Amino acid sequence: NAGVTQTPKFQVLKTGQSMTLQCAQDMNHEYMSWYRQDPGMGLRLIHYSVGAGITDQGEVPNGYNVSRSTTEDFPLRLLSAAPSQTSVYFCASTPTGTGTGERYFGPGTRLTVT
Amino acid sequence: TQLLKQSPQFLSIQEGENLTVYCNSSSVFSSLQWYRQEPGEGPVLLVTVVTGGEVKKLKRLTFQFGDARKDSSLHITAAQPGDTGLYLCAAESRGSTLGRLYFGRGTQLTVWP
Repeated sequence: NAGVTQTPKFQVLKTGQSMTLQCAQDMNHEYMSWYRQDPGMGLRLIHYSVGAGITDQGEVPNGYNVSRSTTEDFPLRLLSAAPSQTSVYFCASTPTGTGTGERYFGPGTRLTVT
Repeated sequence: TQLLKQSPQFLSIQEGENLTVYCNSSSVFSSLQWYRQEPGEGPVLLVTVVTGGEVKKLKRLTFQFGDARKDSSLHITAAQPGDTGLYLCAAESRGSTLGRLYFGRGTQLTVWP
C-alpha cells in the first residue's frame, strides 16, 4: 500500500490564483481530513469527510472547498489564493470501526502565496 | 481559543537526560493521542490513551492520561538524538463520533549527542 499520497509537494501561487491540492489513499478508509500547519500553531482542521458524498467544516474552513466523490480521493480547492493561506497542508485518513481514531498523514504540500 | 495547551514549547537537552512534556485542557476527552513529527514529514501516531489514569509504555516513552481525562503527559527516559522531533498531543471531544481531532501546538524537542 502507498498509504496517503499528496501532490504536489511544493507549490507557489500568486494572489488570486486557484488550485487544487490532491490527496489519495489506498487503505479503503472512510474518514479523511485536511489540516494546515503554521509555525507555532500546531495543526488546524480545515475540512473533513466521513465518507463519499459527505463533508463538513473544521476549525478554519474559510477560503477552502472540498468534495468527496470516491472513497479514495479527497481534493482541497483554493478558489482565490491569499497570502494568509501560505502554509503546509496535510491530508489524513482514518479507518472507522477500530476505535483508536488514528490519523494516517500524507507527506504534506508546502504552499506559498505571493 | 486553544483547546489543548502543550508545555514546554521548546526543549533542548543532552543525550541521556530525562524529560516530561505536558498536554492540558479544561475539557474532558474520550481519548487522547500523541504524535511525533519529523521535518518534512507528516505526524505519526505514537499512542492513544482512552481510560482515565491509564499509563502506557513504548520502550523509553511513558504516556499517562489524567484521572479526569483532561490532561496527559509524555515522559522520555534517557533521551537519545533519535528522539528529536515535534511532539503533538491531539484529542476528540467526549461523546464525539469520529469527527474533529484537535491538536495542541506541539513541543519541539532537540536532543544533543
